[in-house]
Amino acid sequence: LAKTTQPISMDSYEGQEVNITCSHNNIATNDYITWYQQFPSQGPRFIIQGYKTKVTNEVASLFIPADRKSSTLSLPRVSLSDTAVYYCLVGDVVHTGTASKLTFGTGTRLQVTL
Amino acid sequence: NAGVTQTPKFRILKIGQSMTLQCTQDMNHNYMYWYRQDPGMGLKLIYYSVGAGITDKGEVPNGYNVSRSTTEDFPLRLELAAPSQTSVYFCASSLDRGSYNEQFFGPGTRLTVL
Repeated sequence: LAKTTQPISMDSYEGQEVNITCSHNNIATNDYITWYQQFPSQGPRFIIQGYKTKVTNEVASLFIPADRKSSTLSLPRVSLSDTAVYYCLVGDVVHTGTASKLTFGTGTRLQVTL
Repeated sequence: NAGVTQTPKFRILKIGQSMTLQCTQDMNHNYMYWYRQDPGMGLKLIYYSVGAGITDKGEVPNGYNVSRSTTEDFPLRLELAAPSQTSVYFCASSLDRGSYNEQFFGPGTRLTVL
């Protein structure tokens, strides 16, 4: 399984765009990149997933360069309610025999203030 | 849809006691998972199941047992509680095929072993 590295914490002001980068140098050909969000005292919640280039949904964008050795989660115009821990996961989600072993690291703690 | 439900929400055990953490999902997902999350840490996979009657160990299975007699239920059993098992336990479920593997998490069970 590809190991991921994220910043431990980030701070932002409300209304700014936040970019959280995740490094995964030994990502495998079949691996997808998935991001989860976790609020205190709650289970993680799926945000976005991608394989290459750019993926966008109503919540965030995910940028993946051609070499796929890193990825960037972009949160546009954050609000106080975006204060949470964000996890980057890398793993094979198509061949379901290994999909069950996605590993959550310690994540990035994002603090949004006024 | 209630999604993934867990009971109890909180529990205090004495060393050596046993208990079962209940997990139920109503999304007809084949895959189910149990994680533990220690304070300030990421989630670690305890056990997972790919369908009724099929379970397998995750990263930290020692001290736990699981069973999967139905698609909906995936209970986690602690036989001889130890202080090291003090943690928040999350149950999750996901689809078993497709191009993504979004996991849906329950609200968690906070367990303290004294």
